[in-house]
Amino acid sequence: AQSVTQLDSHVSVSEGTPVLLRCNYSSSYSPSLFWYVQHPNKGLQLLLKYTSAATLVKGINGFEAEFKKSETSFHLTKPSAHMSDAAEYFCVVSDPSVWNKFYFGSGTKLNVKP
Amino acid sequence: DVKVTQSSRYLVKRTGEKVFLECVQDMDHENMFWYRQDPGLGLRLIYFSYDVKMKEKGDIPEGYSVSREKKERFSLILESASTNQTSMYLCASSKRPAPEQFFGPGTRLTVL
Repeated sequence: AQSVTQLDSHVSVSEGTPVLLRCNYSSSYSPSLFWYVQHPNKGLQLLLKYTSAATLVKGINGFEAEFKKSETSFHLTKPSAHMSDAAEYFCVVSDPSVWNKFYFGSGTKLNVKP
Repeated sequence: DVKVTQSSRYLVKRTGEKVFLECVQDMDHENMFWYRQDPGLGLRLIYFSYDVKMKEKGDIPEGYSVSREKKERFSLILESASTNQTSMYLCASSKRPAPEQFFGPGTRLTVL
């Protein structure tokens, strides 16, 4: 069975400092992994995806994530936070044995202080 | 760019009303999904469709039905709305075999 654990429900950083949002997954198969961002009262926007190609994945808005199979992790990072990064972030794993069904993490709310 | 649109951003209905939530995608995607999102419960799959007129129950289908008469349109129906269906409803689509889903802006439904 697939599952996703986001290790922090809230993260607070200062503008211009690095961002680290942590995600661990459990998968019976070679997983596809995703990070989505959701701004208040908006839908989810795809930030980046890992689908068994390069383990370091670059996404939009300067975000990147590294797939580490040995640690079953897919942490999201950004070198320098911007005020506009304040949002909720979801780590997702898909299950290829069940029509690529999505399993969502519980979300991490990122606060960016001026 | 993929575009998924939902018919309303905000909707207020009364208990017992029949409610239709519409979702349209413009990228010829085979798969379409309806989720609801609630604080503390996260995103939960209500129904999905892998083709016209085809549907599968998700994790929480009770109290909902769906309709997919055209490939680009997927409707969620609340036959008799109840207050516990107050929620944010998100539609998504994907193109086989790629797994990534593209989400609409959401409909915040309040049932009074």
